[in-house]
Amino acid sequence: QKEVEQNSGPLSVPEGAIASLNCTYSDRGSQSFFWYRQYSGKSPELIMFIYSNGDKEDGRFTAQLNKASQYVSLLIRDSQPSDSATYLCAVRVEYGNKLVFGAGTILRVKS
Amino acid sequence: EAGVVQSPRYKIIEKKQPVAFWCNPISGHNTLYWYLQNLGQGPELLIRYENEEAVDDSQLPKDRFSAERLKGVDSTLKIQPAELGDSAVYLCASSLDADPYNEQFFGPGTRLTVL
Repeated sequence: QKEVEQNSGPLSVPEGAIASLNCTYSDRGSQSFFWYRQYSGKSPELIMFIYSNGDKEDGRFTAQLNKASQYVSLLIRDSQPSDSATYLCAVRVEYGNKLVFGAGTILRVKS
Repeated sequence: EAGVVQSPRYKIIEKKQPVAFWCNPISGHNTLYWYLQNLGQGPELLIRYENEEAVDDSQLPKDRFSAERLKGVDSTLKIQPAELGDSAVYLCASSLDADPYNEQFFGPGTRLTVL
């Protein structure tokens, strides 16, 4: 079992729709969770982080965390073609205090 | 404020040749990371520095990879000799310190192609 798992996609949504990206993790001691966006040929950039169970909203983005289920998700409302990218889920694992990334989900927003 | 700087951006070498990558972190950032990213995968940590000390190098293939961070600022990652399987993007990142809640900022990466 991989430490951080994501559906590789691609996930295709029409412009204006809600895109839902999911991530599961194996380390129960993990405390902090990050969503990075990576455009093709570019480096990852942080778009959201979440530490507590529940929802955290920032503009069109909402991160959801359920530690009991070891599940993190990212919702993108009113999806735009510019949101088309790979979304990487990253989990700060308890051992070694390091960030472990999933393989990423490719999102395609069609206009 | 300048971001994380890496050079070169691209490097093409033949197998068995040495190669070195350079990283300058964001000013004031004490923690520096080197990641490897293969196509279609997320970044994988190679080594983490706290100032000039390597505190996590468990994923660094020490038979051919080496790294240093002199004076706790710039860092260099070296591969000698390079193998075909080393073709990947090498990312450098930095954060203010090792607090697990601090954001890591990534540089543009160095794309290595080994022929």
